[in-house]
Amino acid sequence: AQKVTQAQTEISVVEKEDVTLDCVYETRDTTYYLFWYKQPPSGELVFLIRRNSFDEQNEISGRYSWNFQKSTSSFNFTITASQVVDSAVYFCALTAGGRGGADGLTFGKGTHLIIQP
Amino acid sequence: KAGVTQTPRYLIKTRGQQVTLSCSPISGHRSVSWYQQTPGQGLQFLFEYFSETQRNKGNFPGRFSGRQFSNSRSEMNVSTLELGDSALYLCASSLGGEGSGTEAFFGQGTRLTVV
Repeated sequence: AQKVTQAQTEISVVEKEDVTLDCVYETRDTTYYLFWYKQPPSGELVFLIRRNSFDEQNEISGRYSWNFQKSTSSFNFTITASQVVDSAVYFCALTAGGRGGADGLTFGKGTHLIIQP
Repeated sequence: KAGVTQTPRYLIKTRGQQVTLSCSPISGHRSVSWYQQTPGQGLQFLFEYFSETQRNKGNFPGRFSGRQFSNSRSEMNVSTLELGDSALYLCASSLGGEGSGTEAFFGQGTRLTVV
């Protein structure tokens, strides 16, 4: 069975601080995909990034960066110079590869990020 | 390019009734998945359809069912509603083919309240 753990239930920081959201996963599949989604109060899950299990390169997109380490089964997300608009619930998710999404996503419980002005 | 559209956005139903929710995926996407989000259980996978066939189903009772039409639009149905079915129901669409990468895009959801 697959499992995603986001140990941080809620994080509160002051604007412009850097913040890292942790994600630890468990899977027996050798091919899998990891995701991060953002859920603002409106409810829609906004796709942020996808990583496959064969690509451990870190990725940076503007103020966002992701650190994928298979050795520790972690896929952490860092926001640099946080802004109030980053306030949302962030979800890490996992799915097995090779079946085009048929297995569905296994989500963590989410981290509620609060950026105070 | 239009995103994933879910209708209705809000629903209030009485225990024992049934409900049908609708999802129109992104044009060209053939896979539609459904998820239930509650404060207690978080986001849970309900089922996934690809080319009108259910490929996988999560751990939910038979009261939860779905279908997909030839234009890839999908509906999910919940019969004999219970108070615990109150949740945000999210639909996700993706290309869905084998090895397609499974990048899934979500709609805004349908908020179902059972009273």
